[in-house]
Amino acid sequence: DQQVKQNSPSLSVQEGRISILNCDYTNSMFDYFLWYKKYPAEGPTFLISISSIKDKNEDGRFTVFLNKSAKHLSLHIVPSQPGDSAVYFCAASRWGRGQNFVFGPGTRLSVLP
Amino acid sequence: GAVVSQHPSWVICKSGTSVKIECRSLDFQATTMFWYRQFPKQSLMLMATSNEGSKATYEQGVEKDKFLINHASLTLSTLTVTSAHPEDSSFYICSASSGTLSTDTQYFGPGTRLTVL
Repeated sequence: DQQVKQNSPSLSVQEGRISILNCDYTNSMFDYFLWYKKYPAEGPTFLISISSIKDKNEDGRFTVFLNKSAKHLSLHIVPSQPGDSAVYFCAASRWGRGQNFVFGPGTRLSVLP
Repeated sequence: GAVVSQHPSWVICKSGTSVKIECRSLDFQATTMFWYRQFPKQSLMLMATSNEGSKATYEQGVEKDKFLINHASLTLSTLTVTSAHPEDSSFYICSASSGTLSTDTQYFGPGTRLTVL
């Protein structure tokens, strides 16, 4: 049973436009969510996070929105840049489980110049 | 940012042999280290969590005797795949954190690709 889902395996966006990456989860016990970015042949790097007590967190061009009732979060990148092309993983942590994150399968973002 | 290295970056071995993968935090002390496994086009799956000086905590379904984890120091954790078989072929990634809270950032290594013939 996949607890964290990213239903779009890939996404292509024109440079300068908004990229929206979606993530859904099934476990209502998850209380902390992160987005990681991964380039080929490298490990994932932390991008942005959000706690379940918030519904929005913003860091520069990156904004994460959390809709707890829908068990859905999204990552908005605006404006998108070619360097944003990577695989983006959504991850969730359950209360009491600390850093034992459950990762989604990832979405490959391609930003076209 | 913090740097985590893994060695080797790739390894090919014969079935039945054991393979050791090292994970090092280069510029910080890692209270906690994690080992993940990733199959092609699938998500990272947590295998185990290790704290320096104590036994690793394995996720359900992960064989402790198959995947030996040692976290001997605050900068080094090793994963040994014992008696490797072709189904163990995968991409193994470690991560390290200086804390234990979910809000403490995990820094990932570049991964090790294991191919068992």
